[in-house]
Amino acid sequence: DADVTQTPRNRITKTGKRIMLECSQTKGHDRMYWYRQDPGLGLRLIYYSFDVKDINKGEISDGYSVSRQAQAKFSLSLESAIPNQTALYFCATSDPSSGRTDTQYFGPGTRLTVL
Amino acid sequence: AQSVAQPEDQVNVAEGNPLTVKCTYSVSGNPYLFWYVQYPNRGLQFLLKYITGDNLVKGSYGFEAEFNKSQTSFHLKKPSALVSDSALYFCAVRPHNAGNMLTFGGGTRLMVKP
Repeated sequence: DADVTQTPRNRITKTGKRIMLECSQTKGHDRMYWYRQDPGLGLRLIYYSFDVKDINKGEISDGYSVSRQAQAKFSLSLESAIPNQTALYFCATSDPSSGRTDTQYFGPGTRLTVL
Repeated sequence: AQSVAQPEDQVNVAEGNPLTVKCTYSVSGNPYLFWYVQYPNRGLQFLLKYITGDNLVKGSYGFEAEFNKSQTSFHLKKPSALVSDSALYFCAVRPHNAGNMLTFGGGTRLMVKP
């Protein structure tokens, strides 16, 4: 969905390096999410934010941190990257006022490789 | 805690034939159920969702899904597959009372051959 953008799209880094993945959205949604995708495991939630002052850990937050700089921006950081953080990372947004189901909309993903 | 199972890693169908991608779930209480599709080098795209009411839900690109409460299933279907339907499909569940925390299945790769 072009309304949700992620940078970079691909990144190769080395063990121990600090990495930041960025997500921006023009949908005007308050809620934003970070997931990682691993083959056969589907998507797993890392962190989520329901507004600028509300940040929560997801299922697999260890080794990650986030920053919600504005309603439209939500960054994911790997403080000291390790090889098992090699994955495809997705940002998503949702708008609870759109209905009971609060459907999530995803960005194109960032492929991260940690050597 | 909720869970989603997609028992088939890959489904192969011939173009023009009907397709089914299976999904079963486990959740406390009533669920919201979703199907997403992922094309190569793209993010997940929302296909359809079940909220309540009619068990047959129609979504994008001619897909539909049938909610079966007794079998706790939400299988994705299409009457006539297209080669362009080839992609990775994810089922997801969220209980009514669990904020917006989606739980995803592992994904099923659909291959439609000409």
